[in-house]
Amino acid sequence: QVQLVESGGGLVEPGGSLRLSCVGSGFTFSDYYMSWIRQAPGKGLEWVAYITASGSATFYADSVEGRFTISRDNAKNSLFLQMNSLRVEDTAVYYCAEIFGLDIWGQGTMVAVSS
Amino acid sequence: DIQMTQSPSSVSASVGDRVTITCRASQVIRNEFGWYQQKPGKVPKRLIHSASSLQSGVPSRFSGSGSGTEFTLTISSLQPEDFATYYCLQHNNYLRWTFGQGTKLEIK
Repeated sequence: QVQLVESGGGLVEPGGSLRLSCVGSGFTFSDYYMSWIRQAPGKGLEWVAYITASGSATFYADSVEGRFTISRDNAKNSLFLQMNSLRVEDTAVYYCAEIFGLDIWGQGTMVAVSS
Repeated sequence: DIQMTQSPSSVSASVGDRVTITCRASQVIRNEFGWYQQKPGKVPKRLIHSASSLQSGVPSRFSGSGSGTEFTLTISSLQPEDFATYYCLQHNNYLRWTFGQGTKLEIK
C-alpha cells in the first residue's frame, strides 16, 4: 500500500546533529515533490523544507535555513533531512509528507534536543 | 515570505451547527492551498485541496472556498467526529510554504 516510513529520530544535545530518513512505497516516488513538516509538543504544524521531484531545487523555512539540508535518492525511494546545529526549539515530531498530489504522511519520528 | 493568519484560534460549537474557519494570506497566492484536520495523536488528514476541491473520501459537509488572499473552510452540519484541530496550508510552488496557526474545534 501507499506509505512513507520515517526513521532516525532520537535524543541529541544542543549543537548536535541528526539525519532523518524516509522511505516511500506504493507510489512513484520520483514523480512527487517531498517535504518535511514538524510539530512541537502541544503546538501546531510547521513546514520545514521541501524538494522538487528531481531534487533540482530545495526550499527551507527561515527557522532552519543554513542548518538543515533536505535531499533525496529517487533510485532508493528515499528522502533525507540532515539536521545540524540543533537547538532546543527543534524538538518536535518530524513528518515526511507528499502533500501536492496523493497527500501521504508518515507516522512521524520524534526528535528531542536537550542537555 | 507569505504569512497565513487563521481565525478563530478556537471555537465551541454543537452537533448540527455550521462552522466557518478563515485563513488570510499576507499576499495574493495561487490556489495551491489546502485544509487539514488533525485529531489528537494522529497524522493530519487533508480535507480540501486546490482551495475548493474535496479530497476523495471526505464527507460533503466539508467545503472550501476563496481565492487571492482569503480562504474559508465550512462545515455545514457538525458531527461528533469533526471535533478536532484544523489547519490551512499554502504550498505555492517555488515559494516557502506556510501553515496557519490552527483552529481547535471543541464541543459546546
